[in-house]
Amino acid sequence: AAGVIQSPRHLIKEKRETATLKCYPIPRHDTVYWYQQGPGQDPQFLISFYEKMQSDKGSIPDRFSAQQFSDYHSELNMSSLELGDSALYFCASRPRGGTHTEAFFGQGTRLTVV
Amino acid sequence: GIQVEQSPPDLILQEGANSTLRCNFSDSVNNLQWFHQNPWGQLINLFYIPSGTKQNGRLSATTVATERYSLLYISSSQTTDSGVYFCAARGGGYQKVTFGTGTKLQVIP
Repeated sequence: AAGVIQSPRHLIKEKRETATLKCYPIPRHDTVYWYQQGPGQDPQFLISFYEKMQSDKGSIPDRFSAQQFSDYHSELNMSSLELGDSALYFCASRPRGGTHTEAFFGQGTRLTVV
Repeated sequence: GIQVEQSPPDLILQEGANSTLRCNFSDSVNNLQWFHQNPWGQLINLFYIPSGTKQNGRLSATTVATERYSLLYISSSQTTDSGVYFCAARGGGYQKVTFGTGTKLQVIP
């Protein structure tokens, strides 16, 4: 079965550089979530999109932005990277069908800022 | 938003032992899931269980929505069960899924 695809899987950037993470949801899933997981931490919600519109916003820094495109894939853009941005970034998608549906997570992008 | 707490934070088991992990949430939920995060960081769906009881092999889960908790049972644990177990809930009128603090499980031979 198709899963949530994230790219790249690993990324190394220098401080003050920019990074773009991509997420391809499972077909016919219309909701996308982004999470950040620091070492030894639980995943923290950044932002979500439903039908290409932002639906909820968490602790996403102003240096980060995200969008969902017409084909439902999503991109997380991160600028002026800091050492503290080093983390595992997850994307998740949820199918159409209202409130009672299950979220599926991608394998994550491991970002290292040096 | 909804608050999710898990207990215990850490658990060490001998192979073959049984265990119960608990997840408490602060508000009514319309969505509750259990995940296993393996040593490579991958989040694996275990159960989607906003209410009731489900079983899958050696694992089972029960959610009592009216009392705002969920339990994950692991029977006859194996070393491959090691990792971090998260519950995650959605409710309180929010779209986001909120993760609990996790239970780090180590199963030793």
